[in-house]
Amino acid sequence: KAGVTQTPRYLIKTRGQQVTLSCSPISGHRSVSWYQQTPGQGLQFLFEYFSETQRNKGNFPGRFSGRQFSNSRSEMNVSTLELGDSALYLCASKGDRGREQYFGPGTRLTVT
Amino acid sequence: ELKVEQNPLFLSMQEGKNYTIYCNYSTTSDRLYWYRQDPGKSLESLFVLLSNGAVKQEGRLMASLDTKARLSTLHITAAVHDLSATYFCAVDIIGKLIFGQGTELSVKP
Repeated sequence: KAGVTQTPRYLIKTRGQQVTLSCSPISGHRSVSWYQQTPGQGLQFLFEYFSETQRNKGNFPGRFSGRQFSNSRSEMNVSTLELGDSALYLCASKGDRGREQYFGPGTRLTVT
Repeated sequence: ELKVEQNPLFLSMQEGKNYTIYCNYSTTSDRLYWYRQDPGKSLESLFVLLSNGAVKQEGRLMASLDTKARLSTLHITAAVHDLSATYFCAVDIIGKLIFGQGTELSVKP
């Protein structure tokens, strides 16, 4: 069974731009969660999507948004990028029966 | 506010020694995870602890959970260099993982 995939793996953007990250969950998983990892704040929950609906949300500004498609693939968008948005963005998928989350390889975003 | 606190945050060990990483959390949860992260990499699941008194072992690592004390431990036995990594505990709150700060482990020969 293929694991969670994320694209792109690395990204460099300029302040003020916007960015879209993609996550494909494990086949059959309908839940996708997003996490941000920075040296200063550690690992923080962004949001969770299930069957195309946002089910849970962390404490991030509205510049961070997401969506999920009917095939369970999810995208995360960050608008008006700030230097502090530089981070490793991880997505995780979860099956309907279990609660364990399986993490993808991450997207390393650098904002200059 | 839910807090998950690990200690120590940095741990330098000699090969062959034993040590324990502690994870305290401030609210009720019936599920706790331990993850390993190598530099520049994603999170690798090590253990899922589901109930009070749960103990799981894999190789030189053993994890336990005491839900009454809101404490989990990750014990390292006879450390080897390959265990050098950052270890995170995470508490599951309605599907949202709240992570500890991480413990950076360095095992030296």
